[in-house]
Amino acid sequence: ELKVEQNPLFLSMQEGKNYTIYCNYSTTSDRLYWYRQDPGKSLESLFVLLSNGAVKQEGRLMASLDTKARLSTLHITAAVHDLSATYFCAVVVTGTASKLTFGTGTRLQVTL
Amino acid sequence: EPEVTQTPSHQVTQMGQEVILRCVPISNHLYFYWYRQILGQKVEFLVSFYNNEISEKSEIFDDQFSVERPDGSNFTLKIRSTKLEDSAMYFCASSGTGGEKLFFGSGTQLSVL
Repeated sequence: ELKVEQNPLFLSMQEGKNYTIYCNYSTTSDRLYWYRQDPGKSLESLFVLLSNGAVKQEGRLMASLDTKARLSTLHITAAVHDLSATYFCAVVVTGTASKLTFGTGTRLQVTL
Repeated sequence: EPEVTQTPSHQVTQMGQEVILRCVPISNHLYFYWYRQILGQKVEFLVSFYNNEISEKSEIFDDQFSVERPDGSNFTLKIRSTKLEDSAMYFCASSGTGGEKLFFGSGTQLSVL
């Protein structure tokens, strides 16, 4: 059974600081996604990572994928309050068409 | 920007009743999905649907659940006899191909009393 684990589960950080969220998964994967969820809201797609060594950046967020280590990171640079949300990684297992297995989520709180 | 729309946004029902959750996927998308999220927990896959049939389903998606694409635009999830543990936020999603990102709707909060 595929396990997807994120750490930390909760992160409180000050504005302006940098931090990294980690996503480990237990089996071979074709694709890895990062989503953002605001409280009571839907899931907003941030990144899709398709190959080993893939790196994508959007604003203050940068995601990377190491398929050999079965690890993805979401790096936050110079955090701002607007980034406060829960971040999920989700993995598609190699050989399955479309089923996303989500991680536990990391609740990020950026304080002034 | 095109979006996935879901109705209703909230649904309250009595245990044992049938509910139908409705979704309108993005119009040129071919793959459709249902996920659910119990309050405070992670998002769980229920079912994927392609070419008018189920392509994958999870162990959660038992005989009480069914999906249908009754016309060219709607995609529905039916729960035949709801249980208390079915209370969750249900998200519909769609994608253009199996390898693209999934676009999620805003969800239906189902409360079973």
